[in-house]
Amino acid sequence: EAGVAQSPRYKIIEKRQSVAFWCNPISGHATLYWYQQILGQGPKLLIQFQNNGVVDDSQLPKDRFSAERLKGVDSTLKIQPAKLEDSAVYLCASSLDLRAEQYFGPGTRLTVT
Amino acid sequence: GNSVTQMEGPVTLSEEAFLTINCTYTATGYPSLFWYVQYPGEGLQLLLKATKADDKGSNKGFEATYRKETTSFHLEKGSVQVSDSAVYFCALSEEYSGGGADGLTFGKGTHLIIQP
Repeated sequence: EAGVAQSPRYKIIEKRQSVAFWCNPISGHATLYWYQQILGQGPKLLIQFQNNGVVDDSQLPKDRFSAERLKGVDSTLKIQPAKLEDSAVYLCASSLDLRAEQYFGPGTRLTVT
Repeated sequence: GNSVTQMEGPVTLSEEAFLTINCTYTATGYPSLFWYVQYPGEGLQLLLKATKADDKGSNKGFEATYRKETTSFHLEKGSVQVSDSAVYFCALSEEYSGGGADGLTFGKGTHLIIQP
């Protein structure tokens, strides 16, 4: 069974530029999550989707971050414009439903200079 | 809001030593509790979980007991191996009636180093 796929794996941008990350969850998984992991800290939930609807985006900085999950499968997370403090690993996870085990992708490491 | 506090690392032990990594939590309801592990160069993976008070989760020789009275979920292993070297994260998720659940709230992680 294929795992959660993410791309790109690494990205370096300058502040005020925009960037987008892509996630392909495990086939059949209805729930998809985006987490931000800053160096030395645990992952922090940014947004949670159930199919193509948002369940929780209370910790998403909506002035610069946006996310969508069209057709309830793949998802993209965008940052526009990026700030230095956005440097982190962005993790995507998926699960069969809201209470099932979450499976994590390898992450995208973003460096903002 | 919910939060998880775990012991700071790095924790360095010799092979075959006994391991304890402390984890305490704050939650408004009755959360499920998890330990995740991240081996070098790999993604986060679930190690064990417990969904209600006094439950014991176990996997790969690791175990943790859900203690509601002390709001704790300490990770233990009787005899560690070099291959256990990794970063360990304690986490929680609250479930709601009707099938809903929060995303995970993680602690900061504990880097475990096992020396031969």
